[in-house]
Formats: sequence, structure tokens, C-alpha cells
Amino acid sequence: DAGVTQSPTHLIKTRGQHVTLRCSPISGHKSVSWYQQVLGQGPQFIFQYYEKEERGRGNFPDRFSARQFPNYSSELNVNALLLGDSALYLCASTLPDNTLYGYTFGSGTRLTVV
Amino acid sequence: AQKITQTQPGMFVQEKEAVTLDCTYDTSDPSYGLFWYKQPSSGEMIFLIYQGSYDQQNATEGRYSLNFQKARKSANLVISASQLGDSAMYFCAMREASSGGYQKVTFGIGTKLQVIP
Repeated sequence: DAGVTQSPTHLIKTRGQHVTLRCSPISGHKSVSWYQQVLGQGPQFIFQYYEKEERGRGNFPDRFSARQFPNYSSELNVNALLLGDSALYLCASTLPDNTLYGYTFGSGTRLTVV
Repeated sequence: AQKITQTQPGMFVQEKEAVTLDCTYDTSDPSYGLFWYKQPSSGEMIFLIYQGSYDQQNATEGRYSLNFQKARKSANLVISASQLGDSAMYFCAMREASSGGYQKVTFGIGTKLQVIP
């Protein structure tokens, strides 16, 4: 079975640009969460989606948005990129009731803003 | 207050020895879950072990065990018989209920473990 897949794996953008990151959850997983991991820190929660609805949002500005599609894949959008948005963006999927085994993470998208 | 505290930025362990990675947590929610994840240099977060707040026994998964001391709010990870492939960042995380009806997961800052041959 395929795990959580994220694309692209690496990305370089210029300040002020917009970026879209994509995530496909494990088959059967209906909940997707997005995390930002700045170098040297633990992952910080950005969003959680379940059944195409936003269920939770972390302490991130409105420049960050996301959506979930009928096939449960998800996109994370970041507008007006800042240097501080440079990070590893991780997507995680889980069964709806947060399975005993927690979240399954993808390998992430490494975003560099220059 | 920090929700998850990992006080060891870096640890060294000799191959085949056991090592304990510390984690303390803070929550007022009676129902919560504690996780440990491993993050190799490739970036992927790999689930290692889970402990529920109502679990009576300490969780074990192969060479990994979680030393859960509820009264002290600690959830230390013990890796037995360390292997070179265990060299990675290790993150402690906590899941608790949120007002929005979702399960919020908070990660610690991580501990970098290096296994020495």
C-alpha cells in the first residue's frame, strides 16, 4: 500500500510569490493534517481537514490556507511568501477517530524562500 | 507553559547499549495520548510508539518501550540494544482534544540521538 505522498519534494520560491503543496493520504484515511517544521524545531500544527471540512487551525496567518478534495487529497497554499516560511512542510493522514497508531506522515516538501 | 518538553538537545549512545530519551508534558485534559516519532535526515516522521492516558501498562514495540509516569507527567522513550540506524532526531508528541472537535497534536523540540560504533 502506498503511504502518504507529498509533492513536490523540494521547491525554491521568491519572496512575495505563492506556493501550492500537495498531499495524498493513505487509502482509507479521511483526515489530513499539515505541519510546518522550521529547521531545528519540532513540527507546528497548521491545519486539519476531515471530510473536506476544516476541523482545526493552528496559529498561522491568513496567508496560509488549505482545502481537501472529494478523494481526500489536500492542498496547502501559502500566499505572499516570506523568508520565514522556509521550512519542511509535512502532511499526515489518519483514520477519522485518530487511530491508536497516530498519524502517518509523508516525507515532506522542503520549501526554500529566497 | 510548554506542552511538551524535551530537555536533551543531543545524546550519544554506544552501539548495543540502551538509551533513555526524556519527555515531560503538560495538560489538564484527562484523556490524551503520547507518541514518539523518529525523524531521519530524509525528513519523514516515523511512528514508533503510543501510550494512552488510561493505559495501565507501559507501551512496548520491539526495541522501544515507553516509561509512562502519569503522576510525574513524564513519558520517556527507552531504546534497547541501540543500532547505528537509530541515529536520528526523536520527537515526543501529545494528542489532546480541542474545542474545535479535532484532536490536536503538539510536538516537542526533539532530541538528536547519535549511535557510536
